[in-house]
Parts: sequence; C-alpha cells; structure tokens
Amino acid sequence: QQQVKQSPQSLIVQKGGIPIINCAYENTAFDYFPWYQQFPGKGPALLIAIRPDVSEKKEGRFTISFNKSAKQFSLHIMDSQPGDSATYFCAAMGGSQGNLIFGKGTKLSVKP
Amino acid sequence: KAGVTQTPRYLIKTRGQQVTLSCSPISGHRSVSWYQQTPGQGLQFLFEYFSETQRNKGNFPGRFSGRQFSNSRSEMNVSTLELGDSALYLCASSLVRVGDTQYFGPGTRLTVL
Repeated sequence: QQQVKQSPQSLIVQKGGIPIINCAYENTAFDYFPWYQQFPGKGPALLIAIRPDVSEKKEGRFTISFNKSAKQFSLHIMDSQPGDSATYFCAAMGGSQGNLIFGKGTKLSVKP
Repeated sequence: KAGVTQTPRYLIKTRGQQVTLSCSPISGHRSVSWYQQTPGQGLQFLFEYFSETQRNKGNFPGRFSGRQFSNSRSEMNVSTLELGDSALYLCASSLVRVGDTQYFGPGTRLTVL
C-alpha cells in the first residue's frame, strides 16, 4: 500500500531524445508527487512536483504527467542533454504518511 | 542562503561502535528529516523532527535515534553498528513539513567494517 514502483531501472538515450520515467502508487491518500535528481556524490535535488488537482506540469524541459485514475505519474525530459545524466527518483506522500516514499530510482544516461 | 550542511562527509567505523551524524538545516527551516540510501533498498525514511520533537518515524530498529536542538540543527545516532548500516545518510530540511519543498544535504557516507 505504501510502495512507489518506478521503472525502468536504467535508461540510455541519445542527446535530444525524450526519456520517460514512470511511477505507480497504491495509496489513494497520496497528494504530493515530487521528482528528484541526484548526481554522484550529491544529495537529491527537487526537480519538479505535482499535486493531483492537475494532470500535467511543466518546468523548463521537465514535464510531469499525472493520471489519477490509473494511480500513475511520469517524468518526461525534453531535448535531453548529456548533463541530464543522473539518477532520478519519484516520490509520494500524503494522508497518514507524513514522510516521502521514494521509488527505487532510474539511472539515466544521455549519450552525446 | 546556505544549503543544508552535513558533517562529517565520510566516516569509517567498525562493528559494535556507535556514530553520531550532524545536520544543519537551511536558515528558517524547522523540519529536518533523515534518510538512509543504499543501492539495494534505495532511499528509506528514518525520522523527522520539528520543533525539537520527533514527528514521524520510519521502520528502523531502535539503534537508530535522533534529536533536534532549539536552533533546528539535528543529530542522528546509530548504536551498535552492523555491517548493513553502511550507507549514505541524507538529511533534508523544509520550512514546516516534508511536503514543503524539501532540500537535501550532500550526505554522510558511513562505512562499517
């Protein structure tokens, strides 16, 4: 009930491609869905977040799509660059769950 | 504004020892959360402190404890270290609650030999 399932585990795309990372959750009380980006040796950094009252949110080249009925949300990275190579984590929280529940992460590699 | 700072950045301990990690949140942030990150289990929530009180706790044994001081700085302690405690320990701060924008520190890399 408390898990957030993230896929794929790893992803390789060419520069300019649009990697898509998917997450699914079970707890319908979750009401906050952030994505974090982590580079080696650094802590995760908040990239973008969405709440269930909207189906899509864009910030620069990053877009979250949210499907409340399917209990799924995804991250799209437009015009990906080698500098986007990092590990991406989705997360969720809400209801009685007062802390973030993280997916297992997706290691993205963008080839030049 | 300075970010979240964690000290030390690296630690090597042996089994059975105890360790204390420190976290200084962003100025004005009152909520501090701790996470354990390992390759196998990913990011797992340890506990959250707000106004010097533990507000939320994850599923970790009692060997893991923490506290928060009046200036919002937080410490995490692990007693009787086990090999499986080797991990990156991350601290995150937010204004009031975890759902507010949460900022992570660089982490403390703990190695237990």
